[in-house]
Amino acid sequence: GNSVTQMEGPVTLSEEAFLTINCTYTATGYPSLFWYVQYPGEGLQLLLKATKADDKGSNKGFEATYRKETTSFHLEKGSVQVSDSAVYFCALTPTGNQFYFGTGTSLTVIP
Amino acid sequence: EPEVTQTPSHQVTQMGQEVILRCVPISNHLYFYWYRQILGQKVEFLVSFYNNEISEKSEIFDDQFSVERPDGSNFTLKIRSTKLEDSAMYFCASSDSGTANQPQHFGDGTRLSIL
Repeated sequence: GNSVTQMEGPVTLSEEAFLTINCTYTATGYPSLFWYVQYPGEGLQLLLKATKADDKGSNKGFEATYRKETTSFHLEKGSVQVSDSAVYFCALTPTGNQFYFGTGTSLTVIP
Repeated sequence: EPEVTQTPSHQVTQMGQEVILRCVPISNHLYFYWYRQILGQKVEFLVSFYNNEISEKSEIFDDQFSVERPDGSNFTLKIRSTKLEDSAMYFCASSDSGTANQPQHFGDGTRLSIL
């Protein structure tokens, strides 16, 4: 079946620290992979995507590489800011119809 | 940037009552979706809709649920006889192509509280 496993949160970092949020997946076929971010009181916003193996998605300083051999799509940022505090969701879709989400990882960045 | 809009932002309903959640997808999008997130749990797929038909639905989407596109802009989710366990955040999403390499765009959600 299809599923996404994310690292447990919450994660608390100091400003300018390095961020990694782990995401691994199980899927039939060759899914597309996404990271969404949810700021307090808001909906899910697309952060980045990768649609095939070895693709790197990037946006706003965040990056994630589609690793087929390890079935992973870890989210990284070199230097986090207070404004990055949010909940981050890893997701996959095999067909574009149904998205499968991880449980979300809450990130708090302190000044 | 175009947005998916959902109303109301919060709905409180007595158990057994019907509720309709409303969504206005992005205007040139043709594929529409509903998801729900029970507090502390994963975001779960409910249903996808294209060309005035349901294209896929999950086990959660049973006979108490229905979806409709009543006009050219709205997409609604109706829950016929609400239960306590229907309390959740409901997200509407839309997509222009419905393919795997395109994201779904989400609204801010409707928080449904069943008393």
